[in-house]
Amino acid sequence: GESVGLHLPTLSVQEGDNSIINCAYSNSASDYFIWYKQESGKGPQFIIDIRSNMDKRQGQRVTVLLNKTVKHLSLQIAATQPGDSAVYFCAEILTGGFKTIFGAGTRLFVKA
Amino acid sequence: KAGVTQTPRYLIKTRGQQVTLSCSPISGHRSVSWYQQTPGQGLQFLFEYFSETQRNKGNFPGRFSGRQFSNSRSEMNVSTLELGDSALYLCASGLGSLGTEAFFGQGTRLTVV
Repeated sequence: GESVGLHLPTLSVQEGDNSIINCAYSNSASDYFIWYKQESGKGPQFIIDIRSNMDKRQGQRVTVLLNKTVKHLSLQIAATQPGDSAVYFCAEILTGGFKTIFGAGTRLFVKA
Repeated sequence: KAGVTQTPRYLIKTRGQQVTLSCSPISGHRSVSWYQQTPGQGLQFLFEYFSETQRNKGNFPGRFSGRQFSNSRSEMNVSTLELGDSALYLCASGLGSLGTEAFFGQGTRLTVV
């Protein structure tokens, strides 16, 4: 499959544990944030989003936290499964909504 | 419904040549965005089109251009290819409003030799 990034930060967790992936974003004018998951050989897949007027949003097994004061975003995955192994990207969408800036990505390894 | 379709999946070109990549969005989607993905630079925004108009563009040289047709299909073109243009080129389609999800294709892997 495709090699998304050979030198990405890596997080290794045991199956069943919770995972926390962090992201620092750059633009205080960003309106909207998205977490994507990219598996080998595939394009990024939407996981969860959050608007800038929120600080927390929950989905199924995932939670996104937004701290605008320090321009920090995190993705929490509960009860991590082997199928969660992938590269995770945060993305910020700038005011106006038409330009997306992606973070560098974090590779998540889940050990069975 | 069918997902985002990018063609071709793989392409090998020689330095100095030009290349055109194609993206067919999900039916009903009017926004198409293009991204370049490399191990060194990650995912970088190229441009976004909505209803045949470019609404925003990233920081790429003028050799990179794109267009969108009335049926929302989009093409991007890279002229005078350089070795550093080797990358995975991804397109994403969406409804085009803030807060609406973008769906990615599998990408076109371009290798410049």
